[in-house]
Amino acid sequence: NAGVTQTPKFQVLKTGQSMTLQCAQDMNHEYMSWYRQDPGMGLRLIHYSVGAGITDQGEVPNGYNVSRSTTEDFPLRLLSAAPSQTSVYFCASSRGDRGNFNSPLHFGNGTRLTVT
Amino acid sequence: LAKTTQPISMDSYEGQEVNITCSHNNIATNDYITWYQQFPSQGPRFIIQGYKTKVTNEVASLFIPADRKSSTLSLPRVSLSDTAVYYCLVGPNTGGFKTIFGAGTRLFVKA
Repeated sequence: NAGVTQTPKFQVLKTGQSMTLQCAQDMNHEYMSWYRQDPGMGLRLIHYSVGAGITDQGEVPNGYNVSRSTTEDFPLRLLSAAPSQTSVYFCASSRGDRGNFNSPLHFGNGTRLTVT
Repeated sequence: LAKTTQPISMDSYEGQEVNITCSHNNIATNDYITWYQQFPSQGPRFIIQGYKTKVTNEVASLFIPADRKSSTLSLPRVSLSDTAVYYCLVGPNTGGFKTIFGAGTRLFVKA
């Protein structure tokens, strides 16, 4: 299994540009989520999904959209990039089946985004 | 989710045992305690999870007293490669649903 795969690894955007960060997992996990991590800080939850077709907001959802059309994929869209969105973005997944949300989170290796 | 308090940073030397304590006074009956480890430039990695008493795996031990208001992650004989940030999470869904991470404890292991 590849686990959780994030692409791209690095990205530089200009203010106002849009882009999609990709996240895919091959573990058949129901639960997926996106976090951002600013330098020296903990992780902040952006959006999460408890299954295909179901998404909800986390702590810091403004400026980001998500969709979950398949179990495997959970892309994160930046609608109009701003310098404040410069961060490292992590995607995570866990089993979460039948309400077992204590299954450990599996993280990808992150996407480093710089907005100039 | 129960609020957690853990030290911001800790220093240790190679070969020592390191204990990181997390306070969670408002832990609820159905809450679990989960610890993650994060190396620089990587996503967090699950270390250990427990509900009460003691849990041990190949990486660490987790000690939880009877009142469950705190927990201690124990790393035996640390090496330089154990330098990382360690996060303590407490909640009914710490493996997934709306998992919230705090600032964690930065452990520096010196030679």
